[in-house]
Amino acid sequence: EADIYQTPRYLVIGTGKKITLECSQTMGHDKMYWYQQDPGMELHLIHYSYGVNSTEKGDLSSESTVSRIRTEHFPLTLESARPSHTSQYLCATQDPIANTGELFFGEGSRLTVL
Amino acid sequence: GDSVTQMEGPVTLSEEAFLTINCTYTATGYPSLFWYVQYPGEGLQLLLKATKADDKGSNKGFEATYRKETTSFHLEKGSVQVSDSAVYFCARINQAGTALIFGKGTTLSVSS
Repeated sequence: EADIYQTPRYLVIGTGKKITLECSQTMGHDKMYWYQQDPGMELHLIHYSYGVNSTEKGDLSSESTVSRIRTEHFPLTLESARPSHTSQYLCATQDPIANTGELFFGEGSRLTVL
Repeated sequence: GDSVTQMEGPVTLSEEAFLTINCTYTATGYPSLFWYVQYPGEGLQLLLKATKADDKGSNKGFEATYRKETTSFHLEKGSVQVSDSAVYFCARINQAGTALIFGKGTTLSVSS
């Protein structure tokens, strides 16, 4: 079972500010993901990574960017936040041993842009 | 393309009622299938899974059977509790094997 930590849990910020959402995991999983959850609860994949220095865009176009300098961390950055970025952001890792696609999720970061 | 369709909510039940949440998927081959649950204010947790046709996943009184004939993976529980109130997501691995595709989620509300 993976331990995944997301910070901050809640963030309220003004338009135009730069924000970084942190995601850390302690299990050494190579594959990590960011999903955006809209107010209707639907989940959309916005970024994923297969390991250090690997980042890919997901199914939903996003103005956010990610980096993967270390296996443990997969931060998501918005250079200039806008109200349309208000959402819940969920980070996840994949269990490589189970090889079924099962994901382990963090508790999420709820972002509100005023 | 790959997709998952689940019944829209909200679903409102009394305690001890029978629960069914329908889920169907488009399939190329036989992808692994999952049900995740999201309690208020939390991230998603795996509830159960099935990795091949005819498998039955079960956990905490919930069950779902992978039925290839109907491309379905319906979630059932014989007697729901107030603590089961949450949002339930059906999911499948995408064709590329790179990520999970989720249904839109079904909100369950159980009253005592």
